Amino acid sequence: GENVEQHPSTLSVQEGDSAVIKCTYSDSASNYFPWYKQELGKGPQLIIDIRSNVGEKKDQRIAVTLNKTAKHFSLHITETQPEDSAVYFCAAPKSGYSTLTFGKGTMLLVSP
Amino acid sequence: DTGVSQDPRHKITKRGQNVTFRCDPISEHNRLYWYRQTLGQGPEFLTYFQNEAQLEKSRLLSDRFSAERPKGSFSTLEIQRTEQGDSAMYLCASSFLGAGGPYNEQFFGPGTRLTVL
Repeated sequence: GENVEQHPSTLSVQEGDSAVIKCTYSDSASNYFPWYKQELGKGPQLIIDIRSNVGEKKDQRIAVTLNKTAKHFSLHITETQPEDSAVYFCAAPKSGYSTLTFGKGTMLLVSP
Repeated sequence: DTGVSQDPRHKITKRGQNVTFRCDPISEHNRLYWYRQTLGQGPEFLTYFQNEAQLEKSRLLSDRFSAERPKGSFSTLEIQRTEQGDSAMYLCASSFLGAGGPYNEQFFGPGTRLTVL
């Protein structure tokens, strides 16, 4: 089955700095990679996703890059704001299935 | 609000009791997923439905757990003879399987937090 590793587990930045979270996956057949943001007491919310036919996708201050050869993908947040503080999860699909395997999460803290 | 809803939001029960959770997906979504999340971990897949058919069950789903989606709309997750290890957040998500393939955005509900004493 799919194994997803996520680093770092915690990340502290100053407001305005950039933040990068990295994930690796094990199944070379995986072709869909979403990122979720989870705030305290809430369910995860999809913030961006990428499919294997592209190497990068941007949405305002958020971008995701994908390296299929190395089997890793990264979340980039620029000009961080305190409201970006949350736990972020990467995920990848299990081979041959429609379900997702999640990383263990990164707690991002943005200090004013 | 047309998002995914879950009920109850919190449940405290004693070991050995049965509990049932409900999930109402986004109305036009034909896929519904159940996940379990423990503190400091990502969501772990339990089971999912396409319409009323249960298509996959994780090894995490012991025989004390049962899920249904009788009319292809709302779903229930029942845990029988609860154990302290069942304490977790139970998340429901829904998506639409369409022409774009199986990997479409999963929308999550707020979860039901279960505490087994």
